Amino acid sequence: NAGVMQNPRHLVRRRGQEARLRCSPMKGHSHVYWYRQLPEEGLKFMVYLQKENIIDESGMPKERFSAEFPKEGPSILRIQQVVRGDSAAYFCASSPLGPPRSGANVLTFGAGSRLTVL
Amino acid sequence: AQKITQTQPGMFVQEKEAVTLDCTYDTSDQSYGLFWYKQPSSGEMIFLIYQGSYDEQNATEGRYSLNFQKARKSANLVISASQLGDSAMYFCAMRAYTGANSKLTFGKGITLSVRP
Repeated sequence: NAGVMQNPRHLVRRRGQEARLRCSPMKGHSHVYWYRQLPEEGLKFMVYLQKENIIDESGMPKERFSAEFPKEGPSILRIQQVVRGDSAAYFCASSPLGPPRSGANVLTFGAGSRLTVL
Repeated sequence: AQKITQTQPGMFVQEKEAVTLDCTYDTSDQSYGLFWYKQPSSGEMIFLIYQGSYDEQNATEGRYSLNFQKARKSANLVISASQLGDSAMYFCAMRAYTGANSKLTFGKGITLSVRP
């Protein structure tokens, strides 16, 4: 049972280009979360998605950032017109649809995608 | 809104000794979960231990235990018999169960270095 798969692991973009980060959740997991980690910082929530639905995007910057989780295929985090401040590690996590008060609701993280903007 | 506070500076522990990593939290929710994750230098996030707010017993997972003091809103991680491989960043996180599968909120993390 493969874990959460993220690709690419490393991505280099020049200012103004687009970055696309992909995340395949664990088998059987129907919830996907994206987090951003700046150097020496904790993880900051960006967006929470279920299949074909954005449930909570309160952490997403208002411009240039978008996320989707289509019926088929991986979840995509898209950053348009990247700037140097977008350089960070982007983590995807997934969880099953389980009882909210149980440990089964643990988020399993991918290895992260490290974006460098030149 | 939830808030996690981890204020310890870099922590050092001698191999084979125990160490406590502090975490305090703030929430108005009655039902929530507390989590600890480990991030080694390779960068991945590894789940360590979970404590539910209604759990009466402190959680344990092998060498990890969670010292949960609900009235003080603290959820300290205790690592017994430290190993060199325990050197990493450690993040405390919480999740309020106001709805199904709400987001995890993380603290800033604590760096632990285990000395041989």
